[in-house]
Amino acid sequence: NAGVTQTPKFRILKIGQSMTLQCTQDMNHNYMYWYRQDPGMGLKLIYYSVGAGITDKGEVPNGYNVSRSTTEDFPLRLELAAPSQTSVYFCASSLTGGPNYSNQPQHFGDGTRLSIL
Amino acid sequence: EDQVTQSPEALRLQEGESSSLNCSYTVSGLRGLFWYRQDPGKGPEFLFTLYSAGEEKEKERLKATLTKKESFLHITAPKPEDSATYLCAVQARGVETSGSRLTFGEGTQLTVNP
Repeated sequence: NAGVTQTPKFRILKIGQSMTLQCTQDMNHNYMYWYRQDPGMGLKLIYYSVGAGITDKGEVPNGYNVSRSTTEDFPLRLELAAPSQTSVYFCASSLTGGPNYSNQPQHFGDGTRLSIL
Repeated sequence: EDQVTQSPEALRLQEGESSSLNCSYTVSGLRGLFWYRQDPGKGPEFLFTLYSAGEEKEKERLKATLTKKESFLHITAPKPEDSATYLCAVQARGVETSGSRLTFGEGTQLTVNP
């Protein structure tokens, strides 16, 4: 059972370059999330999705874009990379929904470590 | 705005020396409080969910408790393999389209020396 898989694990970008961080989950979870984690800081929510075709901004969305064309995949796009986007990026998913709105835990991938120089 | 504060930032224990980690929170109606463990170079791993004041949950040497303002993660007779960063997060009540968003604290880095 793979869970949440993120690629690549490491990447170095030059200022102004673009890239896509990939995230896929095989648990048939409807909710997916992107976080960034800076040293000594908690996780900050960038974008989230409640289902295919539906995305919304989190706490720190500037400089990023997302799409959700399938249940399994939730890529994060960086356009015009800036040094402030140097961070560790985590993708997560959870199974939530229905009238009882049960709060299932989020399951995380192992992250993409991104440096922008 | 939901806020989570964890203390201490770092904690060093000797093997077998019990202690507690604190998570203080303010949230506009708590739906759930989550504890995660994070090892270096890995993503957070789910430990517990607590839903209401007075609730307790246990797993091996860990016990999590919840009041209306804070949660404690008690570690009894820790071992070196318990060394990790422990993260606390809260989920506020809201409509389903809010996506079960979590607000995380900055974590407590625990080191257990043999």
